[in-house]
Amino acid sequence: AQSVTQLDSQVPVFEEAPVELRCNYSSSVSVYLFWYVQYPNQGLQLLLKYLSGSTLVKGINGFEAEFNKSQTSFHLRKPSVHISDTAEYFCAVSQTGANNLFFGTGTRLTVIP
Amino acid sequence: EAQVTQNPRYLITVTGKKLTVTCSQNMNHEYMSWYRQDPGLGLRQIYYSMNVEVTDKGDVPEGYKVSRKEKRNFPLILESPSPNQTSLYFCASSKPGLAKETQYFGPGTRLLVL
Repeated sequence: AQSVTQLDSQVPVFEEAPVELRCNYSSSVSVYLFWYVQYPNQGLQLLLKYLSGSTLVKGINGFEAEFNKSQTSFHLRKPSVHISDTAEYFCAVSQTGANNLFFGTGTRLTVIP
Repeated sequence: EAQVTQNPRYLITVTGKKLTVTCSQNMNHEYMSWYRQDPGLGLRQIYYSMNVEVTDKGDVPEGYKVSRKEKRNFPLILESPSPNQTSLYFCASSKPGLAKETQYFGPGTRLLVL
């Protein structure tokens, strides 16, 4: 069975500081990994995804994530955050050939001016 | 504009009164699904549909029904709502081969069952 763990439910960070949002998954087979963002009062939208190839994935709005198979992690990073990055971030995993996506519990990022 | 729409966006109802939340997408996607979002639990899948007339249960299907009579529409039906179904609901769609495809989400429907 697959599961996704986002250990940090809330992450406050000052504007222009770097941030890392952690995501770990458990799966015994090959997976695809995703980060979605939910801005206040909106639906989720894709930030980035890892399907194969380079383990460093670049997404929208300056975010990137690195797939680490040995540590079963897919942490999200941004070198300098903006106020507009305040949102909830969800890590998700799917399995090759599967019909569903498993989401983590989310991390609420609050950027402080 | 490519989008997933949901109606209503906000709904307050009472226990036992049947309701339907509509979902429509204009991207000709085969795959559609419903999720509920609860604090501390993230998103959990309720039902999904691989194509017209093909539906299957997700992780938390109890108390919900769906139908897929047309490709663009995927309504969520609560035959007898209960307070534990108070939640934020999202519809999503994607191309086939869900595992690696991007899901496109609607704006959400906030439901309160009294």
